[in-house]
Amino acid sequence: GAVVSQHPSRVICKSGTSVKIECRSLDFQATTMFWYRQFPKQSLMLMATSNEGSKATYEQGVEKDKFLINHASLTLSTLTVTSAHPEDSSFYICSARDWAQSADTQYFGPGTRLTVL
Amino acid sequence: SQKIEQNSEALNIQEGKTATLTCNYTNYSPAYLQWYRQDPGRGPVFLLLIRENEKEKRKERLKVTFDTTLKQSLFHITASQPADSATYLCALASGGGADGLTFGKGTHLIIQP
Repeated sequence: GAVVSQHPSRVICKSGTSVKIECRSLDFQATTMFWYRQFPKQSLMLMATSNEGSKATYEQGVEKDKFLINHASLTLSTLTVTSAHPEDSSFYICSARDWAQSADTQYFGPGTRLTVL
Repeated sequence: SQKIEQNSEALNIQEGKTATLTCNYTNYSPAYLQWYRQDPGRGPVFLLLIRENEKEKRKERLKVTFDTTLKQSLFHITASQPADSATYLCALASGGGADGLTFGKGTHLIIQP
């Protein structure tokens, strides 16, 4: 089946620094990837849709200047949390569609736990 | 606004019994509905997808029903095992392939030996 990886799996940083999270589709090409955020005991919330070769589409309430998304290739999307603050601490999860298998199924990465001190 | 509700935050079931989880939604007309399993500290794992024109879908011990009139989906695990213990998430999409998913909070299922 389709495999999506994320790196790093866990990161701790100081307030004010920037953190980059990578999302890769390992055995398929993903023209569209999605970034979600999950706070403890809460549901996954869609942050943005990442499209290869074009600008990301952000959900209402998500600051595009704070959460920079780059989808430079068909297998890699990155999310950079700029000037991170403690309230940005969360579980960040990406997903990708494998259009060759099913346009409707999203395959999720293992997630990245961000802790901002 | 769109809302997805999953029954009870936690559900305890005796091993061997059938676990039934509920997903209700309002102000939404999804093209399809998906169920995912999530273990602590991990990303969701896809289980089943059911479309608006389908009533029922099965996969091994799993069964999903979809009633667009009631705006409800039921997720069943038959012959439940302790290894089935996890959080199960219901997710909706409008269709077209370009949309992200809207998730419920999940139901934490505990299968007791």
